[in-house]
Parts: sequence; structure tokens; C-alpha cells
Amino acid sequence: DGGITQSPKYLFRKEGQNVTLSCEQNLNHDAMYWYRQDPGQGLRLIYYSQIVNDFQKGDIAEGYSVSREKKESFPLTVTSAQKNPTAFYLCASSITGRASDGYTFGSGTRLTVV
Amino acid sequence: DAKTTQPPSMDCAEGRAANLPCNHSTISGNEYVYWYRQIHSQGPQYIIHGLKNNETNEMASLIITEDRKSSTLILPHATLRDTAVYYCIVRVGTIGGNKLVFGAGTILRVKS
Repeated sequence: DGGITQSPKYLFRKEGQNVTLSCEQNLNHDAMYWYRQDPGQGLRLIYYSQIVNDFQKGDIAEGYSVSREKKESFPLTVTSAQKNPTAFYLCASSITGRASDGYTFGSGTRLTVV
Repeated sequence: DAKTTQPPSMDCAEGRAANLPCNHSTISGNEYVYWYRQIHSQGPQYIIHGLKNNETNEMASLIITEDRKSSTLILPHATLRDTAVYYCIVRVGTIGGNKLVFGAGTILRVKS
């Protein structure tokens, strides 16, 4: 079945370490997105990519980096510059970036920095 | 910032219709209204979307007012499994493409 796979589901890291979250989709979608969710709050956009080798900053990009070398993959790196990295991270994709396209979400990665 | 306003929480009796309102008074003519729901610690699930006309699918109905400044999501026969956070979202157009901007959503509690 087609879908989006995020791994791992739970991730623990020490403060000051960079960590990379994986997001893979086999839906042949062009656009991919990363969101962050804090407890009791909605999702906030970190980065998004409309096409391979191109991406744009979202509303809270500071302390994060991404790459889009392949259509099916959009990894997110949480760097040591991110002041409060503990959160639930969600990856999504859509066929294109058109307003009429819905998103398909992954099941998320819960990152805890200790 | 999110372009929608939703009540923070609602209760609904099992088997009854759940009507979730959403205000989007600044919506532009080419912006779609989307509804997603999120069950605790899972990724959001697409429910329905629309532009001008009312829409219905196997999950829900979407009623959009004629002036497009508000909409209502209707779950016709709510079950306990429909307990979730429901997000009403206006698809925002940017230079780099369109994106979904999530607000805080409505916590729907379906009670037996």
C-alpha cells in the first residue's frame, strides 16, 4: 500500500546533538512538508518542498535543515541551534502544491532531548 | 497565523450528528477550506475539503455559507471513535506554493 513512513517513532537524543528524522513516501507526490506539534497545540510548518532539489522555509525554520535529493525522501535535521527541540514531528506530502490538493500525513516521530 | 476560528471544544452524544463550526471571514476567492482530524499521537487524517459548494463523502458533509465566511463540518452519526481534534484550515497561497496553516482546532468528545 502507498503511504508515508516516518522513522523512528520515538527518538531520544542528548542536548547539543544533531538528529535527523526520516520521511519516505511512495505515493509519487511532488510536494512534501514538515510540521512540528507541541502538546495541546496545532501544527506549525517548518519546511516544505514543491519539487526535488528545492525547498522553502516555513514559519519556524530556525534550528532546522532539510534536503530533497530524491522525490520520495525529505529528511529533517534538528540541529543544536534549535532551542527547544522536544516535540512531535509530522511529515506530509501532496500530489502538487495546488490549493485543491489534500495532504497525506505520516504517523509522526516523537523527539525527546534530554 | 491561522486564518480560521474554531470553538476550543464540543461534546456530542453517540449516534447523534456532530456539527463543528468554523469561521474564515478573510478567505480569498480561490482558497479552499479543508478539514482534518487528529487522534491522540497520530498524524492528521484528511476528512473533506471544498471551495464554494457543499460537499459530502463517506466520512462527513461540509456546508459552506454563500459568502464563504464560515463553514460547518457534519459527522452524521458520531461514534466514540470520532473523538479527536478537528482542524478547519484554509489553504494559503504563497510565492513558493500553497500550504496548510493549522490553528488550535476543536476537541470533539463523543460520549455514550
